[in-house]
Amino acid sequence: EIVLTQSPATLSLSPGERATLSCRASQSVSSYLAWYQQKPGQAPRLLIYDASNRATGIPARFSGSGSGTDFTLTISSLEPEDFAVYYCQQRSNFYTFGQGTKLEIK
Amino acid sequence: QVQLVQSGAEVKKPGASVKVSCKASGYTFTSYYMHWVRQAPGQGLEWMGIINPSGGSTSYAQKFQGRVTMTRDTSTSTVYMELSSLRSEDTAVYYCARDTIAALTLWGQGTLVTVSS
Repeated sequence: EIVLTQSPATLSLSPGERATLSCRASQSVSSYLAWYQQKPGQAPRLLIYDASNRATGIPARFSGSGSGTDFTLTISSLEPEDFAVYYCQQRSNFYTFGQGTKLEIK
Repeated sequence: QVQLVQSGAEVKKPGASVKVSCKASGYTFTSYYMHWVRQAPGQGLEWMGIINPSGGSTSYAQKFQGRVTMTRDTSTSTVYMELSSLRSEDTAVYYCARDTIAALTLWGQGTLVTVSS
């Protein structure tokens, strides 16, 4: 099973700041990596697929990069509604999720 | 509109089984694979398996092999997830999610399954 490790577990930032979230795979997943945002009491929402493609309706401040084993989700300038939990997910070999990064207001 | 509507919350005793449904509407049911993902209270997302609504083929996470069964009914555009031999650790919100553009793009509202004696 491919294990995805996200870091940091918690990220404390202020609105307007830049957020950088990391996801590392235990073996190469090529570019088969997605990112999701989840707010309390809601289902996850797809942000990025295939490492760097924004899903429909996702603002341009969200961007993804990486390939192989190391991936990054960047939020260029945090809006109040961006504070949530973020998960990465691979589809190279079955499907697995990372454990999540909580983005909280500083 | 395009949506997935899941069945309501369930309370089960340890050792019992639960069957959760997910009804699709607004799109061609057989054109998109469907995943099941669960989330224990305060925990992360856990992938359980996937079903092809067209032919009914399935693939399950190793952790759930032998305990989970995913089926579909094309006449009602509904997929089902049945989990057997329930234990307290199976208490979670269970989601169905449609696979599109190689990711899970459309999610149901979630179904809380509580396992308690």
